[in-house]
Amino acid sequence: RKEVEQDPGPFNVPEGATVAFNCTYSNSASQSFFWYRQDCRKEPKLLMSVYSSGNEDGRFTAQLNRASQYISLLIRDSKLSDSATYLCVVGGYNFNKFYFGSGTKLNVKP
Amino acid sequence: NAGVTQTPKFQVLKTGQSMTLQCAQDMNHEYMSWYRQDPGMGLRLIHYSVGAGITDQGEVPNGYNVSRSTTEDFPLRLLSAAPSQTSVYFCASSYRRTGELFFGEGSRLTVL
Repeated sequence: RKEVEQDPGPFNVPEGATVAFNCTYSNSASQSFFWYRQDCRKEPKLLMSVYSSGNEDGRFTAQLNRASQYISLLIRDSKLSDSATYLCVVGGYNFNKFYFGSGTKLNVKP
Repeated sequence: NAGVTQTPKFQVLKTGQSMTLQCAQDMNHEYMSWYRQDPGMGLRLIHYSVGAGITDQGEVPNGYNVSRSTTEDFPLRLLSAAPSQTSVYFCASSYRRTGELFFGEGSRLTVL
């Protein structure tokens, strides 16, 4: 079983739409949670960390549900520039190991 | 600001050849790691290090060696390349208190 699972998509949405991604993780002892963004043929870059109380960064909102072991990312008012692959990342104790989901591809259309 | 620098960016090898992928960071990060990315598989951890002289295996360590003689450098060695090692390799580092990973631009390796 994979440590982190994501729907690969693609999610095809019009500009201005709200879109949500979920991912699930298998290890209940996981300590840290992140969303990364990866553009085509580029390296991943941190989008946001995910905290237990939920957190927001502009148009992006991340939620963590430890009981059900899933993480979500909500993007409001989608822009063309949001088109990318979004990677769910889960870290073990003391940030020693990070496990990546296979990513969810988002295409925002004009 | 160099960040994480990987070389080479592209490499073609024949089966059985050996090579080293170089990774250097200038952010004084304790943690460094190597991942491979294959279509549909996401990034998988090969090896990681939490400081100079300390390395450990990740999910897919077979066929790869690492060492960490300095804080800055974390080379990945392919001992005898196989076609199954055709992949994109990413080096990443982080300051452990935050966990944010900073990635190099990647090295695309093809093994024929």
